Amino acid sequence: DIQMTQSPSTLSASVGDRVTITCRASQTISTYLNWYQHIPGKAPNLLIYAASTLQSGVPSRFSGSGSGTDFTLTISSLQPQDFATYYCQLSYVPWTFGQGTTVEI
Amino acid sequence: EVQLVESGGGLVQPGGSLRLSCAASGFTFSGFWMSWVRQAPGKGLEFVANIKPDGSERFYLDSVRGRFTISRDNAKNSLYLQISNPRAEDTAVYYCARIVVVVTELFDYWGQGTLVTVSS
Repeated sequence: DIQMTQSPSTLSASVGDRVTITCRASQTISTYLNWYQHIPGKAPNLLIYAASTLQSGVPSRFSGSGSGTDFTLTISSLQPQDFATYYCQLSYVPWTFGQGTTVEI
Repeated sequence: EVQLVESGGGLVQPGGSLRLSCAASGFTFSGFWMSWVRQAPGKGLEFVANIKPDGSERFYLDSVRGRFTISRDNAKNSLYLQISNPRAEDTAVYYCARIVVVVTELFDYWGQGTLVTVSS
């Protein structure tokens, strides 16, 4: 099975910072990659699909890039509501998630 | 407005059984793949199972295949997960999610989750 590895596991940042999270697939997956935000106690929220397409309603400070095995999620200017855990996900069988990156203050 | 509301979680003994439900509204339920995803305490998200709109295809996480059964009732706009012979490692918050297939597959709406605790 394809493994998805995120880095870092935890990221300390401040409001206004530019933040980058990396996701690496164990084999090439073209652009079959989604990104989600999860705040404890709330439903996960789809941010990006097909590696770089912004989901409707998601603020433009979020962006995604990459193809093949290496992908990035970037938050251009971190806002207070962005402190959360972010997951990448393979977007076909077996829909594997990365282990998550927690963005904390 | 799309809404997914899970129910049925609780305490279950190892070797017991439990059925989770997910009530869907705000969209044509019968037209979408649906999925269950879980999060164990202190862990990340993990795909559990999904099911085709007409119920004719199902996929499972290897560790739950043969113990969990995903099903749906399109007349009732409901998704189910039958958990049989649970293990301690199945303790988690279980989320239902809608899947949209547009070249790729994305989980665009999620419920708030229901907690399953496996313990004697």
